Amino acid sequence: AQSVTQPDIHITVSEGASLELRCNYSYGATPYLFWYVQSPGQGLQLLLKYFSGDTLVQGIKGFEAEFKRSQSSFNLRKPSVHWSDAAEYFCAVGALLGGRRALTFGSGTRLQVQP
Amino acid sequence: KAGVTQTPRYLIKTRGQQVTLSCSPISGHRSVSWYQQTPGQGLQFLFEYFSETQRNKGNFPGRFSGRQFSNSRSEMNVSTLELGDSALYLCASSLDGEIDTQYFGPGTRLTVL
Repeated sequence: AQSVTQPDIHITVSEGASLELRCNYSYGATPYLFWYVQSPGQGLQLLLKYFSGDTLVQGIKGFEAEFKRSQSSFNLRKPSVHWSDAAEYFCAVGALLGGRRALTFGSGTRLQVQP
Repeated sequence: KAGVTQTPRYLIKTRGQQVTLSCSPISGHRSVSWYQQTPGQGLQFLFEYFSETQRNKGNFPGRFSGRQFSNSRSEMNVSTLELGDSALYLCASSLDGEIDTQYFGPGTRLTVL
């Protein structure tokens, strides 16, 4: 069965510092991979996605992620964090369920940004 | 274009009651998916509706059900509420159900006392 692991429950970084959020997945076939962000009281917003092709994916808000098949990882990065990036981040895999793809999410990483 | 709207935003019920949540998708979107978000289990897929038909279903008991109307608006119902049903319920809409083009609503926060 598919699963997604986000090893870091909570991360604190200083504004302007770089950021890397880790994500490992388990899925037997070619994965569809996603990163979402959720601000307090809000729904989920898609940051970026990977289906195939170039393993370095660019997303919105200056985020990027790199797919590494050998490590079953899809880590999210940002070179310089802004205070507005404080939120919860979810990695997800689009796995087949009943013949159709459905999202399986990781448990999330809460990002706190220090001034 | 208006986004996905969910009503009500907050709801308090007691154990044993039933509840109905509503989701209005983005205009033109025909697929609506529902997700449950809890601190313990995280985000879990409930079901997907497309053109008034349930097209996919997650691993939830039969107390959780849904439907979709001809205007693509969707409702989900939870009967015989349990404390563990307290959660944020999110719906997402897309044109045709493809998961890479889903837009999420703000959610309905259900508290079961």
